[in-house]
Amino acid sequence: GEDVEQSLFLSVREGDSSVINCTYTDSSSTYLYWYKQEPGAGLQLLTYIFSNMDMKQDKRLTVLLNKKDKHLSLRIADTQTGDSAIYFCAESINDYKLSFGAGTTVTVRA
Amino acid sequence: NAGVTQTPKFQVLKTGQSMTLQCAQDMNHEYMSWYRQDPGMGLRLIHYSVGAGITDQGEVPNGYNVSRSTTEDFPLRLLSAAPSQTSVYFCASSSLPPTGLNTEAFFGQGTRLTVV
Repeated sequence: GEDVEQSLFLSVREGDSSVINCTYTDSSSTYLYWYKQEPGAGLQLLTYIFSNMDMKQDKRLTVLLNKKDKHLSLRIADTQTGDSAIYFCAESINDYKLSFGAGTTVTVRA
Repeated sequence: NAGVTQTPKFQVLKTGQSMTLQCAQDMNHEYMSWYRQDPGMGLRLIHYSVGAGITDQGEVPNGYNVSRSTTEDFPLRLLSAAPSQTSVYFCASSSLPPTGLNTEAFFGQGTRLTVV
């Protein structure tokens, strides 16, 4: 079955690192994604990782994948107020379907 | 640069009413889909389309119909609204399957629907 789980809330101080965790169930997923949803807006692709990779870094973002434990994380370095949003983890189920987690609401406090 | 446009942004319906949520994209994308977003749950796929004239069901298709007569438009119809359909609805489009390498699904801003 398909089930992506992530914690619902994260509060972080401005300038600190944020780490958002996600677990997924489908070991055949080829790609895993992080989407960002800002207030009142649709989702926007933030980054993705291919399933044969352990890590991907893109500026302030670091994605870590532990395929054995089916665990995915997103680290945001030097978190800014503009990073306040809902972050969704998603896995590819087949050619057309993404399975999304419930989303982690990240609140950045001064 | 419109991208994916959804209308309306907000809608209140009475139980049993029908309505159509509109979705249009101007990027000539083949793939379009409809999701619903409910509190504490991820986005769930309602219906999707891989091109004009072709549609298929997602996870939660009951109570919804779609059609794809043009590449640009992918309307979602609620046949007889029920309170369980109170949700935020998102339309998305992509040029290739949304699960592919380096493929981004572009989302509309959402339609917040309340059924009373």
